[in-house]
Amino acid sequence: GDQVEQSPSALSLHEGTGSALRCNFTTTMRAVQWFQQNSRGSLINLFYLASGTKENGRLKSTFNSKESYSTLHIRDAQLEDSGTYFCAATNTGYQNFYFGKGTSLTVIP
Amino acid sequence: EAGVTQSPRYAVLQEGQAVSFWCDPISGHDTLYWYQQPRDQGPQLLVYFRDEAVIDNSQLPSDRFSAVRPKGTNSTLKIQSAKQGDTATYLCASSSDRGENSGNTLYFGEGSRLIVV
Repeated sequence: GDQVEQSPSALSLHEGTGSALRCNFTTTMRAVQWFQQNSRGSLINLFYLASGTKENGRLKSTFNSKESYSTLHIRDAQLEDSGTYFCAATNTGYQNFYFGKGTSLTVIP
Repeated sequence: EAGVTQSPRYAVLQEGQAVSFWCDPISGHDTLYWYQQPRDQGPQLLVYFRDEAVIDNSQLPSDRFSAVRPKGTNSTLKIQSAKQGDTATYLCASSSDRGENSGNTLYFGEGSRLIVV
């Protein structure tokens, strides 16, 4: 079964607003990565976390291994934030990453 | 530094034909991954290597798919006798262990999009 469950599957935001994307894990994970997939299909690294919280500009991500979840917060959304966001997590030696099904984000002018 | 390079970007095949995808990872990255991403789904791991050794190919359909990385640098993924269900984007990624803060961050190429008709 799926080890990484992402929600919501789709999200619309008006420019300037914010929201949170979430990944729940069905097993204990050691690390998580978040990616944005743009309209060309390229997967862009956003964060790698083995624990705690990281922030980069308008994005912030948290990974709680004990409670088996990770979140990605987007604030002050811009049009270029549109795309599909994936989390990927590993439960063995930081190598074998399992992807969620993604959250499709549309930022509306 | 140059990113992960993949070719070809696109391939259209009839069922039964074969295709090879090529990947050049980031220089110095010891780990290389091949993922399959069907339309509107997340990437699914097919196989990964550390240097020239296969670490996990349990998700690779072994009867028609094969992957090699003979010198521990470039890699080739080959599909023999393609089926319509193989229609997907094939993504290559590489990584290098950088400790706990960055770990094995995956860096992806732009993918090779395959359509089997």
